[in-house]
Amino acid sequence: SQQGEEDPQALSIQEGENATMNCSYKTSINNLQWYRQNSGRGLVHLILIRSNEREKHSGRLRVTLDTSKKSSSLLITASRAADTASYFCATDFTGNQFYFGTGTSLTVIP
Amino acid sequence: KAGVTQTPRYLIKTRGQQVTLSCSPISGHRSVSWYQQTPGQGLQFLFEYFSETQRNKGNFPGRFSGRQFSNSRSEMNVSTLELGDSALYLCASHLGGGRETQYFGPGTRLLVL
Repeated sequence: SQQGEEDPQALSIQEGENATMNCSYKTSINNLQWYRQNSGRGLVHLILIRSNEREKHSGRLRVTLDTSKKSSSLLITASRAADTASYFCATDFTGNQFYFGTGTSLTVIP
Repeated sequence: KAGVTQTPRYLIKTRGQQVTLSCSPISGHRSVSWYQQTPGQGLQFLFEYFSETQRNKGNFPGRFSGRQFSNSRSEMNVSTLELGDSALYLCASHLGGGRETQYFGPGTRLLVL
């Protein structure tokens, strides 16, 4: 399977702390994307990092990509209660077919 | 621009019935992908349509089918429903050129009794 895997499966932190989630995948990719999903709803795109990029920032989000290790990490700084959600990485190695990881469930305690 | 819309949002069916779900992509997007999300299996790719043609297909039985119309709207059909088909069905659209951000709809929650 090309499906990525997020680690940890669940994470619980206090508001204001940083949250780090990791994603590993199996084959070469064109890009990797991170999505957020609030309970039972659609996915919201957070950030896309291309295979030739190593790090990308967007507001409180920082994503790194290590193609040699086939892994990526998502860091959310200064977390807020509103960040409570499931986070997924998605990889595409064909360009048009995306594979999602199993997700990390993040709980931010106020 | 309006986002991706899916109808209906909720659906209850019984085993053996069939169901049709609809997805309207963002204006200008020519690619629509469908995913099934269940607690046990996570998000699984069903198929992708581009310019009315199925371009990619996941590993689902033939009971799952889809189509895309000339205005890029897409429908997904599941025949002979099974209990295990209960899931959140998500569609996503993108421009279609590849390697792009996908934009997701809110999903259709299907319950099969």
